[in-house]
Amino acid sequence: DGGITQSPKYLFRKEGQNVTLSCEQNLNHDAMYWYRQDPGQGLRLIYYSQIVNDFQKGDIAEGYSVSREKKESFPLTVTSAQKNPTAFYLCASSPPRWQPNEKLFFGSGTQLSVL
Amino acid sequence: GENVEQHPSTLSVQEGDSAVIKCTYSDSASNYFPWYKQELGKRPQLIIDIRSNVGEKKDQRIAVTLNKTAKHFSLHITETQPEDSAVYFCAASKGSGYSTLTFGKGTMLLVSP
Repeated sequence: DGGITQSPKYLFRKEGQNVTLSCEQNLNHDAMYWYRQDPGQGLRLIYYSQIVNDFQKGDIAEGYSVSREKKESFPLTVTSAQKNPTAFYLCASSPPRWQPNEKLFFGSGTQLSVL
Repeated sequence: GENVEQHPSTLSVQEGDSAVIKCTYSDSASNYFPWYKQELGKRPQLIIDIRSNVGEKKDQRIAVTLNKTAKHFSLHITETQPEDSAVYFCAASKGSGYSTLTFGKGTMLLVSP
């Protein structure tokens, strides 16, 4: 069953702690994305990667870091520099635009809360 | 960068009524406009999209219209049903290659039986 998997579903962070959110896809998509969702704020782009070993900052990258060592995986680290990390985090992947089905495929999300 | 404004933020309708959600975008180079539906506790899913070379697209009870001159696009849902209740997001992107979507802030649609 192809799809995109995020883990954990819920995550709690203590003050000064870095936490890593996992995102894995088996759709053979080159591009992967991380979005942050806050109530009433829509989906805001944190980081994205169009190819292995390369990634770009989105609109709200400060306090976050990513890696893309494998095509299937795009983990997001929320660092202690992110002062307001409580949010719902969505990972997504997509085929390139020249393919007929360019839509984003989203994971089921990770709810991050601060203790 | 691109800025997408979405209105209204909440919309309540009676079952069977029509619902309209409107979005405006700022970058005239944007050429792809998808709509995503997110049910409570679930992931967003694409419901319909439109490209800038088309003015209207319809899929059963949902339709999207695009006015490139005015830089706005709208989602129309006819004969609403309780299962249409969800948060709807519009988005815009431009260029080629991989899409980097800019999303609106969402509209919570509540359809009452």
